[in-house]
Amino acid sequence: GQNIDQPTEMTATEGAIVQINCTYQTSGFNGLFWYQQHAGEAPTFLSYNVLDGLEEKGRFSSFLSRSKGYSYLLLKELQMKDSASYLCAVIDSNYQLIWGAGTKLIIKP
Amino acid sequence: IAGITQAPTSQILAAGRRMTLRCTQDMRHNAMYWYRQDLGLGLRLIHYSNTAGTTGKGEVPDGYSVSRANTDDFPLTLASAVPSQTSVYFCASSAADSSGNEQFFGPGTRLTVL
Repeated sequence: GQNIDQPTEMTATEGAIVQINCTYQTSGFNGLFWYQQHAGEAPTFLSYNVLDGLEEKGRFSSFLSRSKGYSYLLLKELQMKDSASYLCAVIDSNYQLIWGAGTKLIIKP
Repeated sequence: IAGITQAPTSQILAAGRRMTLRCTQDMRHNAMYWYRQDLGLGLRLIHYSNTAGTTGKGEVPDGYSVSRANTDDFPLTLASAVPSQTSVYFCASSAADSSGNEQFFGPGTRLTVL
């Protein structure tokens, strides 16, 4: 079967750095997305990785290792507004998105 | 209209009733999707459409049907609602299929089936 694993919940302090991990086992791989979802709202796009390595976009970076079936989202200089769920999703061999259950990130002052 | 819209925002429905959730996008995206999101589970694909006139089944299609008569609209119908269909439903669209094209999500419809 297809499986995407993320921690259920993480807590971090305002101003700090947090890394949210995602491991996947899917039938094929054609890319990986990270989305942010605030409570009661729709998911919004953060990043897309298809090649190994780090993609940096402002305070957010995303890393991919295809050989390890592993990605992480790195959030720097955390702000209270970063409190949200972070969803990892993998494009499988049929070009369908397989979603993880998401990681709820709680930011404390 | 800007982006992707869904209606209604929320709905309480008696079991056995028929219900259509509406979704409209104005981005001229070819691909559209319907997901349900339940607590503790990831988004699960119900049905999708890669282009107007075509539809496909996702991971959890049973009890749902869709149509794609034109580019902009992608309604989801529950023929006879059951309590297990209580969920938050998101419609999404992308320029093409999932390969590298981000999906844009509507605000969601919160559906409760009693």
